[in-house]
Amino acid sequence: AQSVTQLGSHVSVSEGALVLLRCNYSSSVPPYLFWYVQYPNQGLQLLLKYTTGATLVKGINGFEAEFKKSETSFHLTKPSAHMSDAAEYFCAVSPSGYSTLTFGKGTMLLVSP
Amino acid sequence: ETGVTQSPTHLIKTRGQQVTLRCSSQSGHNTVSWYQQALGQGPQFIFQYYREEENGRGNFPPRFSGLQFPNYSSELNVNALELDDSALYLCASSLNKRTGGYGYTFGSGTRLTVV
Repeated sequence: AQSVTQLGSHVSVSEGALVLLRCNYSSSVPPYLFWYVQYPNQGLQLLLKYTTGATLVKGINGFEAEFKKSETSFHLTKPSAHMSDAAEYFCAVSPSGYSTLTFGKGTMLLVSP
Repeated sequence: ETGVTQSPTHLIKTRGQQVTLRCSSQSGHNTVSWYQQALGQGPQFIFQYYREEENGRGNFPPRFSGLQFPNYSSELNVNALELDDSALYLCASSLNKRTGGYGYTFGSGTRLTVV
């Protein structure tokens, strides 16, 4: 079974500041890990994914995440926040080779000028 | 290349009624998955259809049922609606059942309100 814990239901940053959204997972098999973003009244857009290989993955809009097996973590970062980054972010895990996604509860990112 | 289209976008139903939600998958995708996203929660897997057959189901009661058609579009049916069924229902299509999480395309969802 898989599970995802996202620390902090809301994270507030100033424009230009570092963004750090935390995600810890539990998986009985080597996981595939994902970050999705959801803007108001929209579906989910894939930001980035880890399947195998390099543990630091880069995604769209300047986001990146690092898979740390020893810490069972997959935290999302962005060096400099932009107002357009304000949205809800979901971390998800999938058993390798299968397609069902298990999502965390999400973290709302608030960006102030 | 069209994306995933869901209809309707919003729906209000009365407790006890039945509802059908529709999803057109992305061109070339033969697998459709449905997720329920309650307010303030992450999406939860309902079920998946691959080539017109159910290919996995989450922890949802039998009154949640689905269909996939030969053109790979899909329907989600919910009978005997309860207030807790109020949620955003998301459809996601993928190239095949083994690449889903790897390459899901999500629709914008149907917002269902049960009163």
